[in-house]
Amino acid sequence: DTEVTQTPKHLVMGMTNKKSLKCEQHMGHRAMYWYKQKAKKPPELMFVYSYEKLSINESVPSRFSPECPNSSLLNLHLHALQPEDSALYLCASSQDELAILAKNIQYFGAGTRLSVL
Amino acid sequence: EDKVVQSPLSLVVHEGDTVTLNCSYEVTNFRSLLWYKQEKKAPTFLFMLTSSGIEKKSGRLSSILDKKELFSILNITATQTGDSAIYLCAVSPAGGTSYGKLTFGQGTILTVHP
Repeated sequence: DTEVTQTPKHLVMGMTNKKSLKCEQHMGHRAMYWYKQKAKKPPELMFVYSYEKLSINESVPSRFSPECPNSSLLNLHLHALQPEDSALYLCASSQDELAILAKNIQYFGAGTRLSVL
Repeated sequence: EDKVVQSPLSLVVHEGDTVTLNCSYEVTNFRSLLWYKQEKKAPTFLFMLTSSGIEKKSGRLSSILDKKELFSILNITATQTGDSAIYLCAVSPAGGTSYGKLTFGQGTILTVHP
C-alpha cells in the first residue's frame, strides 16, 4: 500500500480566509513533503519534514505555515493568500530521506486543487 | 543549482508506436533519478535509477541511466491510449541539507491517439 490521502480535493477561499490542507499516510514513513504545482509546470518543493521536524523550507512566504502533529499527519495552514497562490498542492511521503536509496522513493497524494479569489 | 531538462516537451503518437523520452541533469551530488507518470493529479512512481547501465523494466516501460553522460531515457513500447500522461523526471541529491529535495524537469506531455 502506497497511499497518501489529501483532503480536501478542492478548496476555494477568499484572500482574508484561513484554511488548512491535510495530508495523511499510514505507511510508517518518517519524511513528508509539500509541493506546489502550477498548470503545465512541474511540482516545486515547499517544505520537508523529517521525523516530525521541519528540515527544509524553500523560502516559502509566511502565509503558508506547515505543521506535522505526528508521524502520519502533515498540515498546511493557509492565511491571507493571494490569487497567484492558486495551484495544485501535492503532499508526498517517503520512508526516510536519510535512509538507503530504495526507501527514498516519494509517494504522492492526489493533491488539493486550491483557488484563491 | 540542480537542473533537470526533459525532451521533447510534448509528443503525439499513435497506438502501437514506441516512444523514447529523454532526461538530462546537472546535480552537485547525485544520489538517484526517478521517473513519475502524472495523469490527472498524483504523480505515480515508475522507476528509481541509481547505477549506470542497468535497465529497469516494468511491462512495456523501461528506463536506463548513464551517469557519465548525465542522462536517462524512458522507453515505452507498443503504446496505448492509457499511456497518455505527463512523464516527469526528477533527481535526488545526496548530502547536507539537500536530502529529500527532488528537482523535477518540465515534463514530457505524451498523447497517444487510437
